[in-house]
Amino acid sequence: AQSVSQHNHHVILSEAASLELGCNYSYGGTVNLFWYVQYPGQHLQLLLKYFSGDPLVKGIKGFEAEFIKSKFSFNLRKPSVQWSDTAEYFCAVNGGGYQKVTFGTGTKLQVIP
Amino acid sequence: DADVTQTPRNRITKTGKRIMLECSQTKGHDRMYWYRQDPGLGLRLIYYSFDVKDINKGEISDGYSVSRQAQAKFSLSLESAIPNQTALYFCATSANGGYGYTFGSGTRLTVV
Repeated sequence: AQSVSQHNHHVILSEAASLELGCNYSYGGTVNLFWYVQYPGQHLQLLLKYFSGDPLVKGIKGFEAEFIKSKFSFNLRKPSVQWSDTAEYFCAVNGGGYQKVTFGTGTKLQVIP
Repeated sequence: DADVTQTPRNRITKTGKRIMLECSQTKGHDRMYWYRQDPGLGLRLIYYSFDVKDINKGEISDGYSVSRQAQAKFSLSLESAIPNQTALYFCATSANGGYGYTFGSGTRLTVV
């Protein structure tokens, strides 16, 4: 079975600080990986996704993620966060042969002006 | 109009009552899903459907049932609501599980 771990439950940063949110997955085969963002009171929106090819994936709003197969990781990064990045971030995996996506428990990011 | 519409947006119901949450989509996607979100637990899959004749249980289907009335409609029912079903419920669609989901705005359900 596939699973996802997000070890940071709550992260607090000042504006302009760099961000890295950890995500590790468990699945032995080919995977598709996602990061979703949920702004306060809103639904989840796709931030970026990895299917194949370049392991460094760029998404919307300046976010990027790097797929490191040897570490089963897909960490989310942003060089300089803004107050508007305050949200909850979910990593998700869709393993080969699985037809549904498994989500991590989420990381709440609070950016202080 | 939203691509994925959920109704109602908020609902308070009493223990033991039957309640239905509805989801409709204009994406033309075959695949539809129901998740519940609880603080600290992320999203957990309740049921999913790959077409009108295909219904599958997710990881937490006990106490829930679904109906896929058409390609565009997928309803979730709580036959006899209980307080620990208080949660935020999301409907999602996808053309293919590997290409990401489109989520509805959610239904906040409170069972008292």
